[in-house]
Amino acid sequence: QVQLVQSGSEVKKPGASVKISCKASGYSFTGYAINWVRRAPGRGLEWMGWINTNTGNPTYAQVFTGRFVFSLDTSVSTAYLQINSLKAEDTAEYYCARTLGDDWYFDFWGRGTLVTVSS
Amino acid sequence: QSVLTQPPSASGTPGQRITISCSGSSSNIGSNYVYWYQQLPGTAPKLLIYRDNQRPSGVPDRFSGSRSGTSASLAISGLRSEDEADYYCAAWDDSLSGFYVFGTGTKVTVL
Repeated sequence: QVQLVQSGSEVKKPGASVKISCKASGYSFTGYAINWVRRAPGRGLEWMGWINTNTGNPTYAQVFTGRFVFSLDTSVSTAYLQINSLKAEDTAEYYCARTLGDDWYFDFWGRGTLVTVSS
Repeated sequence: QSVLTQPPSASGTPGQRITISCSGSSSNIGSNYVYWYQQLPGTAPKLLIYRDNQRPSGVPDRFSGSRSGTSASLAISGLRSEDEADYYCAAWDDSLSGFYVFGTGTKVTVL
């Protein structure tokens, strides 16, 4: 069965970096793009962007350029989200989800990784 | 700030039918499919409706979606206590270099 398994919760200090993983199983990893979605406390879902699992080419939503980095390790069917220079406002639940081609619906999601940024 | 606007809340009693609206523009709902997601408390979002009105396998037919012009709506009939969740519409937006956008979200309460 299709699964996206995310790494566990993280607690970081402002200015640090964090790298979240999303390991896919049950399907051909390079057949679907991986998207990243954020939900901050008291806010709704925000699409952060996506990464082409064939080429490794990332696309970032305008708000998530600069400190956010998407990457892959196709040998272990895993996508990564790295956030640099963490700020308190980066405290949120981060989800990975897959999409197929130009059909922009997220049919399978990871369970989420909670990142807490606090001094 | 989302370009898809939803009412912040909706409520109904068990068995009732409720609808959630999603208002957009010509660059998103007016020219692209609409999707709906349900997020139960403490869980990941779940795809509820794709391509305006299609239900994935396993989603009850109590949930239905529609799109007209630059607006869309989600209807929940036979409301049940387990439907209490946050609901989000979403669509691709063709403006700028293109981006995916979620609606502002609607909290559904079953009274």
